[in-house]
Amino acid sequence: AQRVTQPEKLLSVFKGAPVELKCNYSYSGSPELFWYVQYSRQRLQLLLRHISRESIKGFTADLNKGETSFHLKKPFAQEEDSAMYYCALADSNYQLIWGAGTKLIIKP
Amino acid sequence: DVKVTQSSRYLVKRTGEKVFLECVQDMDHENMFWYRQDPGLGLRLIYFSYDVKMKEKGDIPEGYSVSREKKERFSLILESASTNQTSMYLCATLTLKGTDTQYFGPGTRLTVL
Repeated sequence: AQRVTQPEKLLSVFKGAPVELKCNYSYSGSPELFWYVQYSRQRLQLLLRHISRESIKGFTADLNKGETSFHLKKPFAQEEDSAMYYCALADSNYQLIWGAGTKLIIKP
Repeated sequence: DVKVTQSSRYLVKRTGEKVFLECVQDMDHENMFWYRQDPGLGLRLIYFSYDVKMKEKGDIPEGYSVSREKKERFSLILESASTNQTSMYLCATLTLKGTDTQYFGPGTRLTVL
């Protein structure tokens, strides 16, 4: 079954500390994975996608096919990173399969 | 820049009322989606449409219907609203040309009393 799992509903770290938001997937084909972010009172927006291998706002995510993971990382968290983060997988029909989301809180 | 708009940011309706949520996009995207977003459940797909007058059920279509008479507009209809349909509703569009990225509207917070 196709599934995206974000095991943490809530993650709280201090400003300046490293952040890792976990995402594991189950998919039989070649996955295309995304991280979306929703800041308070704003619309959901794309943060990054694995095929572009880019770093956005200091965040990176590496696809690990062996561990079927796509964890989102940032070495030094900032207060403005506080948001809801969703991991998503695109199937062969371009439908996105969503994780339940992780609420990230950065403490000052 | 893609623009996806939703008719209301906040909506309060009574049980049994018929509710229309409208979504309009201005970028000629083929695919449009309706999701609901609930705490702890994330985003769940209700319906999607890949062309005018075409629609497909998503994961949770029960209690909902949709209409796509024009390419730019995708409506979500609650035939008889119930309290368990209180949620944040998000519309999204997708083009298969280029980035394959979904663009989201700002959301409609629906409360059914």
